[in-house]
Amino acid sequence: KNEVEQSPQNLTAQEGEFITINCSYSVGISALHWLQQHPGGGIVSLFMLSSGKKKHGRLIATINIQEKHSSLHITASHPRDSAVYICAVTYSGGGADGLTFGKGTHLIIQP
Amino acid sequence: DAGITQSPRHKVTETGTPVTLRCHQTENHRYMYWYRQDPGHGLRLIHYSYGVKDTDKGEVSDGYSVSRSKTEDFLLTLESATSSQTSVYFCAISEGAPDTQYFGPGTRLTVL
Repeated sequence: KNEVEQSPQNLTAQEGEFITINCSYSVGISALHWLQQHPGGGIVSLFMLSSGKKKHGRLIATINIQEKHSSLHITASHPRDSAVYICAVTYSGGGADGLTFGKGTHLIIQP
Repeated sequence: DAGITQSPRHKVTETGTPVTLRCHQTENHRYMYWYRQDPGHGLRLIHYSYGVKDTDKGEVSDGYSVSRSKTEDFLLTLESATSSQTSVYFCAISEGAPDTQYFGPGTRLTVL
């Protein structure tokens, strides 16, 4: 079964801390996505990447294709960053173009 | 924000009744998707469409059917709703595949 594993499942940190969320997957992919979901809210795409590194504001996403691993970093974390962060992949081959998701990391940033 | 809406936003229905959820987009994107989100399972793909009248099954398609007669609309039908289909349903669109997916606001469905 193709799986996407995220760690940690839950993370509580103090405002200003550097945050790292990890994602690993089991088979070849064509792209990896990081998504954000606020409590009771919708889902927003943060990054889509297939190699290297991308940065947007205080968010940085990296991927290592050989190790089948990606990380999402948040610098200078703020309480408004509190949300569920979801890793998802689009697998190479197969028939489905939809996403396969990890179960998410619930992040709380305390002031 | 991508122009994507879902209707209804909330629905309560009884077991055995048919239910249709609508996803409408104004972006003229080719690909449309239906996902469900459940505690403990996360998000899972139900069905997707890669063009008008072109659809395919996802991971959890049993008990669901879809139709896409126009680029802008993607309908998800539960022919005979069951309590196990109580969930939050998200529609998403993308211009290509793989590509960034834009999600609708979700529909909360409760089957009693």
